[in-house]
Amino acid sequence: DGGITQSPKYLFRKEGQNVTLSCEQNLNHDAMYWYRQDPGQGLRLIYYSQIVNDFQKGDIAEGYSVSREKKESFPLTVTSAQKNPTAFYLCASSIWRDTQETQYFGPGTRLLVL
Amino acid sequence: AQSVTQPDIHITVSEGASLELRCNYSYGATPYLFWYVQSPGQGLQLLLKYFSGDTLVQGIKGFEAEFKRSQSSFNLRKPSVHWSDAAEYFCAVGAVGYSTLTFGKGTMLLVSP
Repeated sequence: DGGITQSPKYLFRKEGQNVTLSCEQNLNHDAMYWYRQDPGQGLRLIYYSQIVNDFQKGDIAEGYSVSREKKESFPLTVTSAQKNPTAFYLCASSIWRDTQETQYFGPGTRLLVL
Repeated sequence: AQSVTQPDIHITVSEGASLELRCNYSYGATPYLFWYVQSPGQGLQLLLKYFSGDTLVQGIKGFEAEFKRSQSSFNLRKPSVHWSDAAEYFCAVGAVGYSTLTFGKGTMLLVSP
């Protein structure tokens, strides 16, 4: 089945620790995105990547980093510089420059701070 | 900068009653518009989308939405709500050549028996 997988479903971070959230897609989509969701805040864009080895900051990139070494994978690292990392993180992908470009979402990872 | 407003944070509807969720957008270019639904602890599922053409679009699960350019609105409707429709609904706007979307803050739909 084609789709987007995110792992783990739940992740715990200790103070001062970096953690990495995984996002993989087998839809052959060019573009991938990371969003952060907080209650009552909707979705806010952290980073996005339209092609391999290239990515752009979104609205709230501070304290986060990404890489895009493969088309299928777009891992997000939450660094110790992110002081309030507790949130639900959603990964999405789309066919870039498609005439009806539509983003499809993974199941999400909930990050909790110990 | 583009923005999306969903004026209702919560809406409660009786099962079997009709539903309308409001979405207003601000965007300089011709917008692409989307409605997504999210069940608790899950990702977002696409309900429907508008790119061009007929301003009334049909989606999955019996939902429809109407694009009204003059009112900058893209309201979501369903004629008869089922208990399984209880979830959070997000409106989003994008544009040709810009792959990023701007999301509203969501409307939580509660369905009463």
